[in-house]
Amino acid sequence: EVQLVESGGGLVKPGGSLRLSCAASGFTFSYAWMSWVRQAPGKGLEWVGRIKSKADGGTTDYAAPVKGRFTISRDDSKNTLYLQMNSLKTEDTAVYYCTANMVDWGQGTLVTVSS
Amino acid sequence: DIVVTQTPLSLSVTPGQPASISCKSSQSLLHSDGKTYLFWYLQKPGQPPQLLIYEVSNRFFGVPDRFSGSGSGTDFTLKISRVEAEDVGVYYCMQSIQLPFFGQGTKLEMK
Repeated sequence: EVQLVESGGGLVKPGGSLRLSCAASGFTFSYAWMSWVRQAPGKGLEWVGRIKSKADGGTTDYAAPVKGRFTISRDDSKNTLYLQMNSLKTEDTAVYYCTANMVDWGQGTLVTVSS
Repeated sequence: DIVVTQTPLSLSVTPGQPASISCKSSQSLLHSDGKTYLFWYLQKPGQPPQLLIYEVSNRFFGVPDRFSGSGSGTDFTLKISRVEAEDVGVYYCMQSIQLPFFGQGTKLEMK
């Protein structure tokens, strides 16, 4: 059974940083293209960014609102995906989901950016 | 950026009746590999999204056959032949021919 478990969310002040993790199991993590998708309170889904499998180059892509502030990385030896979020803004407040190949999803972790 | 736009934004349906959601893309979603990168998700209350339909018309594992997807190019439709209570939630289309982009969502409720 595929499992994706996000962690690391919490309350952070504007301008601060936070690192989210997503622990994966039940599938071959190293083959997967992994993405982060967020959902602001009461709003729709917004794709944040992705990292391709190393076999496909391991490159990253980001949505415009987070480019230059967020960094996605992966550790295939630990079956773990990361999202480093810097220079956080109040509009980054959301539940952050990790997803494998945009098919399997975690339950999400809440990030609140507020003073 | 390729934007996808859904209509309607909300639907109120009597159980057993059909429902239909439209998704229009700002550019064709037909890739040179022959696939069309349009997906449908359902987010039930309090849950993460779940994949319903991939590449326009293919039902994902375990998705009931009352759900069907159709369309081509820039115009797509999700149909539910007979809505059931468990179908309540928000439906999203998503394109991934370029960087993924979700539609605004369509909230389905029971009458």
